[in-house]
Amino acid sequence: KAGVTQTPRYLIKTRGQQVTLSCSPISGHRSVSWYQQTPGQGLQFLFEYFSETQRNKGNFPGRFSGRQFSNSRSEMNVSTLELGDSALYLCASSPGTLEGYEQYFGPGTRLTVT
Amino acid sequence: AQKVTQAQTEISVVEKEDVTLDCVYETRDTTYYLFWYKQPPSGELVFLIRRNSFDEQNEISGRYSWNFQKSTSSFNFTITASQVVDSAVYFCALSEGSRDDKIIFGKGTRLHILP
Repeated sequence: KAGVTQTPRYLIKTRGQQVTLSCSPISGHRSVSWYQQTPGQGLQFLFEYFSETQRNKGNFPGRFSGRQFSNSRSEMNVSTLELGDSALYLCASSPGTLEGYEQYFGPGTRLTVT
Repeated sequence: AQKVTQAQTEISVVEKEDVTLDCVYETRDTTYYLFWYKQPPSGELVFLIRRNSFDEQNEISGRYSWNFQKSTSSFNFTITASQVVDSAVYFCALSEGSRDDKIIFGKGTRLHILP
């Protein structure tokens, strides 16, 4: 079974620009969660989508948004990029039900904002 | 508010030694889940275990074992007979409520296994 894929793997953007990251979950998984990892703040939860609906959201400004498509693929968008948005962005896929929870993480997208 | 503390920032042990990674959590919920993840140098997070708050049984999986103690709000992870491939950053995490889709991570413990 193919794992979680994230594209692109690396990205360099300039302050003020916007960026879209993509995550394709494992086939059959309906839940996709996004996390930001930085040296200073560690791993922080951004949001989770299940069947095209946002089920939960972390404490991030409105510049961070996401969506999920009918095939469970998810995108995350960051508008008006700031230097502090430089991070590794990880997505995790899971069945999203109580019976099957284990989260499988993708390799991440490393975003550098200059 | 929920919180996960991994007091050990970095640990180094010689191969074949046993090592325990500590995790202390705070939560007001009676229903919650605890996790351990491994992040090798490649960066990808690897799920190791998920334990719900009603199951205090210790778990063993090969060289890995976990000790969950609600009385001390701890969920410690032990690697027996460590190997160089165990070198990684290990994260303990917590999610509250009946749905474990919002996970709060500890800061991680960087483990070095020296040959």
